[in-house]
Amino acid sequence: DADVTQTPRNRITKTGKRIMLECSQTKGHDRMYWYRQDPGLGLQLIYYSFDVKDINKGEISDGYSVSRQAQAKFSLSLESAIPNQTALYFCATSEGDEQYFGPGTRLTVT
Amino acid sequence: GENVEQHPSTLSVQEGDSAVIKCTYSDSASNYFPWYKQELGKRPQLIIDIRSNVGEKKDQRIAVTLNKTAKHFSLHITETQPEDSAVYFCAASESGDSSASKIIFGSGTRLSIRP
Repeated sequence: DADVTQTPRNRITKTGKRIMLECSQTKGHDRMYWYRQDPGLGLQLIYYSFDVKDINKGEISDGYSVSRQAQAKFSLSLESAIPNQTALYFCATSEGDEQYFGPGTRLTVT
Repeated sequence: GENVEQHPSTLSVQEGDSAVIKCTYSDSASNYFPWYKQELGKRPQLIIDIRSNVGEKKDQRIAVTLNKTAKHFSLHITETQPEDSAVYFCAASESGDSSASKIIFGSGTRLSIRP
């Protein structure tokens, strides 16, 4: 679904580096989410935002921060990356109950 | 908070047979239960959902059942085909017209269809 885009799609970084993952959407949805996917652990909610002034922690927010720059943009930051943050990261949006996912960002921390 | 458990983690069935994936949830306030399918290398996509005011919902070869008393719900796929091979996620949330809610996912089931 080209309406939700993520950059970069792949990233390799070193331990201790700061990294930002970006999400943009053209769906006009107010709600945006960041998830992390690890094998066997499903999709874990990191942060979510129901509008530009609303930011909420999810299940696994430690080590992450977010910024909702506009209705269409929601960024996830790792201030000091560590190897166990190696995972596939998905951004999602919703208006009603259905979630629309971006293509994912594969992050490797060495 | 809500906790969703999903079983089995992997499932292999013969093409044409049925597949069943089960989930339990902990929060009695949850009233919306979607299922997402993630094909290899792709993003998750909604395939079917059910609300707490119904016990069963069907869409062609897939169906979902809900038992509110026991707090469990299941996905049933009949006459499985190769394109059903994917990872399936159940989820639960509290949904309403005026209330916004987060969604909690299960850990996923990798379904493989044997030819």
